[in-house]
Amino acid sequence: DVVMTQSPLSLPVTLGQPASISCTSSQSLVYINGNTYLTWFQQRPGQSPRRLIDQVSNRDSGVPDRYSGSGSGTHFTLKISRVEAEDVGIYYCMQSSYWPYTFGQGTKLEIK
Amino acid sequence: QLQLQESGPGLVKPSETLSLTCSVSGGSIGSSGSYWGWIRQPPGKGLEWIAAIIFSGDNYYNPSLKSRLTVSLDTSKNQVSLKLTSVTAADTAVYYCARSLGEIRLLDYWGQGALVTVSS
Repeated sequence: DVVMTQSPLSLPVTLGQPASISCTSSQSLVYINGNTYLTWFQQRPGQSPRRLIDQVSNRDSGVPDRYSGSGSGTHFTLKISRVEAEDVGIYYCMQSSYWPYTFGQGTKLEIK
Repeated sequence: QLQLQESGPGLVKPSETLSLTCSVSGGSIGSSGSYWGWIRQPPGKGLEWIAAIIFSGDNYYNPSLKSRLTVSLDTSKNQVSLKLTSVTAADTAVYYCARSLGEIRLLDYWGQGALVTVSS
């Protein structure tokens, strides 16, 4: 299985400050069609996960533009330009280039 | 709006079978392009994609669980079911049902999850 490794696992951030989460895959996520299937999910406390970003950098409808995704190959990053209180939760990256699709361990974002 | 609701016994004994149902409202599980996934989350841990089923009935099972898993569609009840046999404490988790539209991987709608504890 493709191993997804996130860092940091815990991310205390001051309100209004930026945040960055790294996700590394054990093999390239470039699919045979040339697309890269790396997705970011947010799980707020007590809630189900919610998709934020698909195919590395495509933000979902309704996701604030302070969220952005970047990367290629095996290294990917989720950035929040200015953290707000509603951003508290656990963030997961997921690869869907290879079955079984696999998630990172999660990064817990909290407010300092 | 599409809604998914997982249901089933909250407590299962070791070696027995875990059975869950995902009831879908606001859309048909047999709609072309619909994919239904089961993802689980052990307490305090990360997410694991365990199975998916396509609107036509074809399955994708996580190889680590394949020998114990059965996922099926009941279009008459608009439900997706999951059965996991020979459970152990390691199968204790919140089990989520999710819908993907267009591509199996998209997970655009999630249920609220059902906690299943394996214990004697």
